[in-house]
Amino acid sequence: QVQLQQWGAGLLKPSETLSLTCAVYGGSFSDYYWSWIRQPPEKGLEWIGEINHSGSINYNPSLKSRVTMSVDTSKNQFSLKLSSVTAADTAVYYCARGGIVVLPGALYYYFDLWGRGTPVTVSS
Amino acid sequence: SSELTQDPAVSVALGQTVRVTCQGDSLRNYFASWYQQKPGQAPVLVIYGKNNRPSGIPDRFSGSTSGNTASLTITGAQAEDEADYYCNSRDSSGNHVVFGGGTKLTVL
Repeated sequence: QVQLQQWGAGLLKPSETLSLTCAVYGGSFSDYYWSWIRQPPEKGLEWIGEINHSGSINYNPSLKSRVTMSVDTSKNQFSLKLSSVTAADTAVYYCARGGIVVLPGALYYYFDLWGRGTPVTVSS
Repeated sequence: SSELTQDPAVSVALGQTVRVTCQGDSLRNYFASWYQQKPGQAPVLVIYGKNNRPSGIPDRFSGSTSGNTASLTITGAQAEDEADYYCNSRDSSGNHVVFGGGTKLTVL
């Protein structure tokens, strides 16, 4: 059974750097894109960025200047760093496995596996 | 602002059929995927692609697309279907992922 296990600091001060890691247990690491998604309290889901096993990366344009994602294929892990955090970055952060299908007449992208989420609070 | 637009809230009587919609230009190129999220839990994929259900998702959940609008239909809604529902796809460039703002479904 494939599982995502995530961890990282849950309480930060403004201007600090958020750092989270997600480990993939079981299944293929190279066949998917691996994303970070966050959800502020009482709000919707926001995609932060994605990375694949070869280090190909896409970031949400609204966060790109502060986000760094990396991958460690030897451990089947991927990580997120978000710099200069403010109270607006307070959210539950999820890691997720992204699958993409490209067929004639059928393009689709989906997150079929999610971590349990890490609550992150930014407060002075 | 999200490139996928959902109604903030929808309600349905127990056992009736409800449709949750998602609009966006990228849906002309990409099928939407749909997620169910209950309070305090991570989202769960319920529909992906043209109309595919992951293992364990009841067949009362179905998906469809027309033009730039994707729909999630629950036929015979149950009390346990009360949740927030989100759609997602790639954006029009294909380089980024977008989510709809979410729809809160109430089962009366």
